[in-house]
Amino acid sequence: GNSVTQMEGPVTLSEEAFLTINCTYTATGYPSLFWYVQYPGEGLQLLLKATKADDKGSNKGFEATYRKETTSFHLEKGSVQVSDSAVYFCALPRQGGSEKLVFGKGMKLTVNP
Amino acid sequence: DAMVIQNPRYQVTQFGKPVTLSCSQTLNHNVMYWYQQKSSQAPKLLFHYYDKDFNNEADTPDNFQSRRPNTSFCFLDIRSPGLGDAAMYLCATSRDLVGGYEQYFGPGTRLTVT
Repeated sequence: GNSVTQMEGPVTLSEEAFLTINCTYTATGYPSLFWYVQYPGEGLQLLLKATKADDKGSNKGFEATYRKETTSFHLEKGSVQVSDSAVYFCALPRQGGSEKLVFGKGMKLTVNP
Repeated sequence: DAMVIQNPRYQVTQFGKPVTLSCSQTLNHNVMYWYQQKSSQAPKLLFHYYDKDFNNEADTPDNFQSRRPNTSFCFLDIRSPGLGDAAMYLCATSRDLVGGYEQYFGPGTRLTVT
């Protein structure tokens, strides 16, 4: 089945710093790729997704580009805010058109004012 | 707003005392999932329903059961909770196959076992 390797952290940044969270995957074919975010005490929320190679997903100032050459889907934000403090998970379908996801281990981000 | 609702948000139960967690959705999605998430870990899929078809993960203990009486509701039953079952339990839905469709998560129920 498919798998994902994700930068784990934890990471602490100052407000307005640049953020990159690395995510690489191993997959058969070109599955959709997802970034989920989990704020403290809450469930996961979809942050962004890309459904095919070279697609760029974006939301709330975050971006990630589906790179088939490097099998990567790194998450970036140019200027983080305190409100971005959360755990970030990279994910993709377990296999093919599976209804199940495989998640990375998650990266906890803390942003200080 | 269409959403995934979990009740209660916090549940305390005693060791060995059966407990039921509930999930409802207004999205009319075909697929409903139950995940267990322990501290600082990724969610672990316990089982899911595709419509009325139940799909159990191979490593889900028999102690965990689920019911989906209709499209909107899904329940997680823990027959005899142990201390190791203390965790956040997340319900999620998906319109159809995840290949292109994201999962929508509820806020979770945090289970404490005393």
